[in-house]
Amino acid sequence: GAGVSQSPSNKVTEKGKDVELRCDPISGHTALYWYRQSLGQGLEFLIYFQGNSAPDKSGLPSDRFSAERTGGSVSTLTIQRTQQEDSAVYLCASSPSLQTYGYTFGSGTRLTVV
Amino acid sequence: RKEVEQDPGPFNVPEGATVAFNCTYSNSASQSFFWYRQDCRKEPKLLMSVYSSGNEDGRFTAQLNRASQYISLLIRDSKLSDSATYLCVVNSGGTSYGKLTFGQGTILTVHP
Repeated sequence: GAGVSQSPSNKVTEKGKDVELRCDPISGHTALYWYRQSLGQGLEFLIYFQGNSAPDKSGLPSDRFSAERTGGSVSTLTIQRTQQEDSAVYLCASSPSLQTYGYTFGSGTRLTVV
Repeated sequence: RKEVEQDPGPFNVPEGATVAFNCTYSNSASQSFFWYRQDCRKEPKLLMSVYSSGNEDGRFTAQLNRASQYISLLIRDSKLSDSATYLCVVNSGGTSYGKLTFGQGTILTVHP
């Protein structure tokens, strides 16, 4: 597609439920990144993919968070047993390769855990 | 100490003013540096890369001082449309190659 597409754009979920956030990167971009931004805070790195592999998972806040990427394209970030502190905007970005730092971000998924 | 530190501001300046933002980073292995811009409730967008020799893009000038681990952004002749949060961004280098670390951002408001 023309840009990075994320869905849903907004998600309200009850504490304890699982959620799946989807990212569709720019076609041909091999590198894909997940960040989150809490209200009034900076961007927090979660995980990145080179192709389908995730060399650096160090940013995932807990074992309730997982991510996968299939076919070198779409990625899914899953949060199990959501907690109120998971409320944030989850941003996905892609770039042509790891050596290209001109990230293009999607418009994000605003997650609210009630 | 945060990996990337910025003065959060806010900076409130009149149209036409010159304003400068500063940023320091802690990882001496960092190789690439950027300024991003984020409008309210929008995603960040790349404003410009920062090169060792300094670089300019229209009204925007970026400088890098590797010895002091310091980055700056200068905006000349501010426009109302420059109002946004400016994010200082560095790559983490080393085994985290590919990972960008974002500062908390500096808020700029340009008023008539």
